[in-house]
Amino acid sequence: AQSVTQLGSHVSVSEGALVLLRCNYSSSVPPYLFWYVQYPNQGLQLLLKYTTGATLVKGINGFEAEFKKSETSFHLTKPSAHMSDAAEYFCAVTLYNNNDMRFGAGTRLTVKP
Amino acid sequence: ETGVTQTPRHLVMGMTNKKSLKCEQHLGHNAMYWYKQSAKKPLELMFVYNFKEQTENNSVPSRFSPECPNSSHLFLHLHTLQPEDSALYLCASSQGISGGGSTDTQYFGPGTRLTVL
Repeated sequence: AQSVTQLGSHVSVSEGALVLLRCNYSSSVPPYLFWYVQYPNQGLQLLLKYTTGATLVKGINGFEAEFKKSETSFHLTKPSAHMSDAAEYFCAVTLYNNNDMRFGAGTRLTVKP
Repeated sequence: ETGVTQTPRHLVMGMTNKKSLKCEQHLGHNAMYWYKQSAKKPLELMFVYNFKEQTENNSVPSRFSPECPNSSHLFLHLHTLQPEDSALYLCASSQGISGGGSTDTQYFGPGTRLTVL
């Protein structure tokens, strides 16, 4: 079965600094990969997803992620952090024609002024 | 209303109570999901309905009982819960897996925060 591992349960950056949240996946077939964000007392909101095609995927709020098959990674980045980016971020993986989406444990991003 | 809505947003119940969580999606989707989100644990998929048929039941205790009367509504009936069942219960929906297959993005509701005393 597919799975994801998020390295680092907490990441803290200064406002304006680079954001890098790490996600590695395990899958026996080509995966479909997602990043979701969860703000306090809210559900999960889709940031971006990779299915096929271009390996660099751009999402909302200036985030992007790159699918690297050789490294089995799908790290999330943003060039310049904003205070409003403080939230919990979840990486997830699913397979073609499959409802079963597996989530990582989440990374809590803190942005310092 | 748009998106996925859940009611109630907060629920406190005793171990002997019976209550139900409701989820409604306004996206024209055909698949709906229940997840449990506990502190410091990954999201746990509980149930999946695809075109009103239950396709997943990840070893969920029988004190949780799902119901999907149509493709827009999903319920989670609760009875004789335990304190360890306290968590955020999230509902999600997606296009649904048909014969043609899909890369199914899930859209989430805000969740119901459940506390079992």
